[in-house]
Amino acid sequence: DAGITQSPRYKITETGRQVTLMCHQTWSHSYMFWYRQDLGHGLRLIYYSAAADITDKGEVPDGYVVSRSKTENFPLTLESATRSQTSVYFCASSGGAWETQYFGPGTRLLVL
Amino acid sequence: AQSVTQLGSHVSVSEGALVLLRCNYSSSVPPYLFWYVQYPNQGLQLLLKYTSAATLVKGINGFEAEFKKSETSFHLTKPSAHMSDAAEYFCAVSVGDYKLSFGAGTTVTVRA
Repeated sequence: DAGITQSPRYKITETGRQVTLMCHQTWSHSYMFWYRQDLGHGLRLIYYSAAADITDKGEVPDGYVVSRSKTENFPLTLESATRSQTSVYFCASSGGAWETQYFGPGTRLLVL
Repeated sequence: AQSVTQLGSHVSVSEGALVLLRCNYSSSVPPYLFWYVQYPNQGLQLLLKYTSAATLVKGINGFEAEFKKSETSFHLTKPSAHMSDAAEYFCAVSVGDYKLSFGAGTTVTVRA
């Protein structure tokens, strides 16, 4: 029972490079979410998806792109990484509106 | 828009003492409220949630929270702290949709 996984767990990159963070869930949950966690801000929603091929912006979407061609995968791409995108990124999924969100272990990203 | 305020970014308690973490929310409609816990280098795990049923909600690991509409609060308590309770705790609110807004978090330290 893998649940929800994220890869890589740690990533170091340079400014201007493209980076893709992967998220995979095995529950066939409809809803998936990407958050970033920064000290003093808690978790802030970047993008979310209600189903395959349906995505929408969250609170802090600038500089990020998402896609969802398959229900189980929800990759997050930083098209041109900036230092301000250094953060811990969490993916989450839920089986329905207002149901519990289950979180992955996170990806720690450092942009130099 | 809804928002969440967690009072106190750090709480230190003695083992066996009461744990009290404060959360206030702002919402013009009945909210769904959640407490999540995050252990070091891990994702978030649901402790408990309020979804308009009983105002006193019991969760895992001996935690409970009480929804007080008049005070717009959802404080988390545990009668007797254990060393394993050392973690970061997040309060979150969802109002009428499936997105969550998180507080900034409270780090709990347990003293032997």
